[in-house]
This record gives sequence, C-alpha cells and structure tokens, in this order.
Amino acid sequence: AQKVTQAQTEISVVEKEDVTLDCVYETRDTTYYLFWYKQPPSGELVFLIRRNSFDEQNEISGRYSWNFQKSTSSFNFTITASQVVDSAVYFCALYRSSNTGKLIFGQGTTLQVKP
Amino acid sequence: DTGVSQNPRHKITKRGQNVTFRCDPISEHNRLYWYRQTLGQGPEFLTYFQNEAQLEKSRLLSDRFSAERPKGSFSTLEIQRTEQGDSAMYLCAYERGSPSGNTIYFGEGSWLTVV
Repeated sequence: AQKVTQAQTEISVVEKEDVTLDCVYETRDTTYYLFWYKQPPSGELVFLIRRNSFDEQNEISGRYSWNFQKSTSSFNFTITASQVVDSAVYFCALYRSSNTGKLIFGQGTTLQVKP
Repeated sequence: DTGVSQNPRHKITKRGQNVTFRCDPISEHNRLYWYRQTLGQGPEFLTYFQNEAQLEKSRLLSDRFSAERPKGSFSTLEIQRTEQGDSAMYLCAYERGSPSGNTIYFGEGSWLTVV
C-alpha cells in the first residue's frame, strides 16, 4: 500500500519560532520521489521541493530545510525563524515513478504563524 | 510555475446541471493530470493523459465524469448531473522532466460549488 501520513493537523507558532512539519510515508517501490507543496489561502499549490529516493542528502533553501531519512520513511520539513507569510497548508506527497507517476498526498498540516 | 491555465476559476451550479472545466497548457506537456481536492483534504488523483491518450482513471471518477484531451493539447473535465458531493477544487497538473527526475506542477485550480 502507498500512503503518506502527516500526523500534525494544525500547528500554531509565534513569528521567529522554528517549526518542523512531519511526514511519514509507506511504499514498496524502490524508486520514488517525495514532494512538499505549500497551499496559501489563495488556494494554489506551490511546489517547494522534490527528493529522490536514492538521494538522502538533506537540503537547505534559505529558511527552509528538509530531512529525508529512508530508514524511518520520513521526510520532515523545517522552517527556521518562521514568518507570518509562511502561514499556509503544507502537503507532503509521494510520487510513484514505477507506473503512472501520480502523486499520493498526505492530509496536510495547517501552519499558523502569529505575529 | 503555472504552466497551465484553468477556466473557469470559480463555478456555482445547481444540482443536476452539467459543468465543464478546461485546462490549457502554456507550453507543450506530454503528461497532464486531473486532481480533486475537497475541503480539509489533500488532492486526490482522478486521471491522466499521455499526449491524447487517457492512460489511467481513478475509481473516484464515476460514470458522470469524463475527461478528454483532443490532439494532446488542452484538456477538459466534464461532470454530468452534478451532485453536492462534487463540490471541490479541480486541479490540472503537468509534469516536467529533468535529468534528476520529474516534478509535477499544478494550475490555480477551478472551484466548483454545487447548490
């Protein structure tokens, strides 16, 4: 079974705090991709990052960083020094490259950053 | 990166009416996807096209739903005899490949409200 679990439904932090969004996935595929998307109140899904299953290097992009651990099937997302503009729903997704390449999404984590 | 344009952006319709959504790629994309997102949930895969061929349909796509992609360019998603449960955002997505892998980008979505 292919599944993505985002156990945190809602997180509320105060501006400048660091926050980590958890993502755990299940797949039997040996080759796959993991994604994070941001959905601000405007509704569009904004691509943030793609990670290949064979590349376990962590990545940092400005205030954003991602920790991919294949041993625990996790792909967590950390925002450092959060800002009000980071308030959004964040989705983790699994891409099955073995056949159709369709995305399987988690249920999302709503992040509220208060001033 | 909105490489597709979706119309209409918002649609309110009475139960039982038919609606059609259109997705226009800004540039050529071999693969086009349709997803549906209901309130509080992550997007769910509906169907996808490889050029003009519809290669997979989710079980979510009942007989009232039909999608086409004539000539491998724009795509349409039609819902016949709409029901209140069809109220959702319908997302068109495209796939862009690179040497390191494929990324799926989403359009701005079409909101459907069935009253």
